[in-house]
Amino acid sequence: NAGVTQTPKFQVLKTGQSMTLQCAQDMNHNSMYWYRQDPGMGLRLIYYSASEGTTDKGEVPNGYNVSRLNKREFSLRLESAAPSQTSVYFCASSGGRTSGATSQETQYFGPGTRLLVL
Amino acid sequence: AQSVTQLDSQVPVFEEAPVELRCNYSSSVSVYLFWYVQYPNQGLQLLLKYLSGSTLVKGINGFEAEFNKSQTSFHLRKPSVHISDTAEYFCAVSRRGRGTSYGKLTFGQGTILTVHP
Repeated sequence: NAGVTQTPKFQVLKTGQSMTLQCAQDMNHNSMYWYRQDPGMGLRLIYYSASEGTTDKGEVPNGYNVSRLNKREFSLRLESAAPSQTSVYFCASSGGRTSGATSQETQYFGPGTRLLVL
Repeated sequence: AQSVTQLDSQVPVFEEAPVELRCNYSSSVSVYLFWYVQYPNQGLQLLLKYLSGSTLVKGINGFEAEFNKSQTSFHLRKPSVHISDTAEYFCAVSRRGRGTSYGKLTFGQGTILTVHP
């Protein structure tokens, strides 16, 4: 049981390049999230997927797109990277099929992807 | 919409001393409350959460937090810290109930706890 996994762990891009960050969870969770973490700003929600087949914008969606490929996988794409997107990106999931309300709320986080855009 | 303010960006403390990390929130609706911990170069790990019931919540590693509805606070405490508690701590809230905001977390800015020998 690996929990939430993210690839790659590190990435360096040049301005204008594109890339996709991958996230997968093996906890049968319904909801998945993408956050970015910047010093002094906590974590900010980029996009989320409340259930398979749905995606919605979070607080800072500009410059990003997402795909909920199936129940396990939720990818984040940067179409044309900018230096302002240099950050640490975290994927999270919550909500098991058979769990009650008290388990729905807890989000489990992956180890993060450190992205540098030059 | 919800917002979270962590009142201290950095808290230095000596080993075996008590510590309190302060968190205030603002929301027009009822919320769930969380504390997460992030060790260097790692993801976030849940310390404790308040969903309902007793306002004093106990979590992992000897941490506890008290929900104060009148003061809209959820301060984190530990009576005696260890070197291994050095980490960044995040307070977060999510909206109760179903609807479009269900499950979304709003985080505070984080508090870096540094425990000195």
